[in-house]
Order: sequence, then structure tokens, then C-alpha cells
Amino acid sequence: QQQVKQSPQSLIVQKGGISIINCAYENTAFDYFPWYQQFPGKGPALLIAIRPDVSEKKEGRFTISFNKSAKQFSLHIMDSQPGDSATYFCAASRYNNNDMRFGAGTRLTVKP
Amino acid sequence: NAGVTQTPKFRILKIGQSMTLQCAQDMNHNYMYWYRQDPGMGLKLIYYSVGAGITDKGEVPNGYNVSRSTTEDFPLRLELAAPSQTSVYFCASSYVTRESGYTFGSGTRLTVV
Repeated sequence: QQQVKQSPQSLIVQKGGISIINCAYENTAFDYFPWYQQFPGKGPALLIAIRPDVSEKKEGRFTISFNKSAKQFSLHIMDSQPGDSATYFCAASRYNNNDMRFGAGTRLTVKP
Repeated sequence: NAGVTQTPKFRILKIGQSMTLQCAQDMNHNYMYWYRQDPGMGLKLIYYSVGAGITDKGEVPNGYNVSRSTTEDFPLRLELAAPSQTSVYFCASSYVTRESGYTFGSGTRLTVV
């Protein structure tokens, strides 16, 4: 079963718009939630991450919002740019556990 | 700094053939991982290693084997290739603390026909 559910599968946004990708998890033992960005032909790269003791984390144009009671977290990309076009994966892991679970991915296209 | 290097980039195997996917990192990371990426399924962990001589199964280990004789290298072995193993394989490495993030290689696209 998929422990981390991600939506939407694909997303098209105009340049300057806000991109929002959502994830939901099932295992309440998860305590670390990263987002990875993957460009075509490349491996994923860590973008931003959050722990459940905070509700929001911002790094530049990228923000993670975290709702512990709903077991959901989301990635917001403000002022989206064509260079942000990539596949984004949310993930979750438990402390002292090496089996990080990834969502299915969202292919983001930012149109100029 | 090369990071994580995977070879080959592409490979076509016939059913029943065997092959080894190579992975090497030059960052002195203790932890190394093998993932497979299937369309619409995200990344699934096959095997991981917390150091030389230590390996363990992930979520989807069947049909694969690994070894870790050095800190740098973590090869993945497919003994009897099956069409279900058609996928893109990623090797990754990290420091002990997960907050440092995983460094992924650029992947190996494997097709089994």
C-alpha cells in the first residue's frame, strides 16, 4: 500500500503563478518530510524539508505547509518560473529508519 | 566532485539474463541506497546499506542482490531478469543524519525483453 499519497499527478501553471502540490501520509510515526525535485534525465535532489513540530517552513520561493492533525503537507511554489518545470516528490521517514517512502510524483510545467 | 556515479546509463536485457548495476560515491557517505522508479509509482527502496559489510532489504528486494565491500561502491545484481524489472534504477547516498538529504545518481534505464 502507498504510505504517502501525492496529488495532482501533473500540474500546469502560468509563469508568475502559484504551484501547489499536496501529500497525505498514513503512518503517524513519520517525523521527517522532505520534498525532492527531479529534472529530466537526472536523479532527484533535496529541495526543502520539514519536521512535524513546525507548521510551515519557507526557503525562498518554496514553502512547505504541514498539518499534523490532518496528516497532510504541501509544497507551495510562489512566482513559478519555467525553470521550476520538473517532477516533484514528497517523502516521509521515521526516526532511525532507512526506508524513506516517496509519493508518486507530480510533473509540474510552468508555461512562459 | 563526481558525487554518485551510476553505470551503465541504459541497458536492454533478455529475460533470464543477469547483470550488475554499478554505483560509486566519492563523498565518504556511510549510507547507500538502491531505488527503482516506475511511472506513477514514485521511488521504491530495493536495498540499503549503512556501511561496508552491512546491507538490508527495503520495500521491494525480490529478484535483486547487493553487496557492500567498500564505503565507495554499492553494486546491485539482477540474477534472472524478468519484464517486471523494467524500470529506472537510482542509487543514492547520504550521511548518517537524514536531514543532510540523499544525493542521487543520474539513473540506469533498464529494459527487459
